[in-house]
Amino acid sequence: GAVVSQHPSRVICKSGTSVKIECRSLDFQATTMFWYRQFPKQSLMLMATSNEGSKATYEQGVEKDKFLINHASLTLSTLTVTSAHPEDSSFYICSARGRNQETQYFGPGTRLLVL
Amino acid sequence: KQEVTQIPAALSVPEGENLVLNCSFTDSAIYNLQWFRQDPGKGLTSLLLIQSSQREQTSGRLNASLDKSSGRSTLYIAASQPGDSATYLCAVYGNNRLAFGKGNQVVVIP
Repeated sequence: GAVVSQHPSRVICKSGTSVKIECRSLDFQATTMFWYRQFPKQSLMLMATSNEGSKATYEQGVEKDKFLINHASLTLSTLTVTSAHPEDSSFYICSARGRNQETQYFGPGTRLLVL
Repeated sequence: KQEVTQIPAALSVPEGENLVLNCSFTDSAIYNLQWFRQDPGKGLTSLLLIQSSQREQTSGRLNASLDKSSGRSTLYIAASQPGDSATYLCAVYGNNRLAFGKGNQVVVIP
């Protein structure tokens, strides 16, 4: 099956700093990438959808200036959490879908802890 | 807005018993339904995908059924093993997005 990687797998940062998370599709071209966040014992909540070369579409309630998404190539999308606060601590998961694919392939997730 | 509910939220069963996990969704206009497995602190592993036109899918000890009109899906895991301990997530695809339930947290006791 298709492989999606995320880096880093875990990050701890101080409040007020920015953190960048990378999501890569390793063996297929991801025309669409999705970013989710998951709180303990909760559902995955879609944050935004990005198409290669286009601006991301954010879900209602997600601050686009705080969660910067870049999908500059067909194999890489980045999520930057700017001016992170403790309430941003969560598990962030990306997924990717190729052209004409109906299935999303999920990355292993990134655990963010903001102190 | 699609709402996905999974019952029970958590369950423990002795090894060898069959597992029955339930998922319900409010909007029957779905394209497909997928069951995932998630281990603690890890990403998602896709188990089964059922198209909206299908009634069930099987893979080894796993069987998933779909009743789109009533908005329900059931995941059966036969002869459970301790390695089946995980959280199982149900997700429905429609309106160009996946909507997830909160999961069924399963513990199989040796």
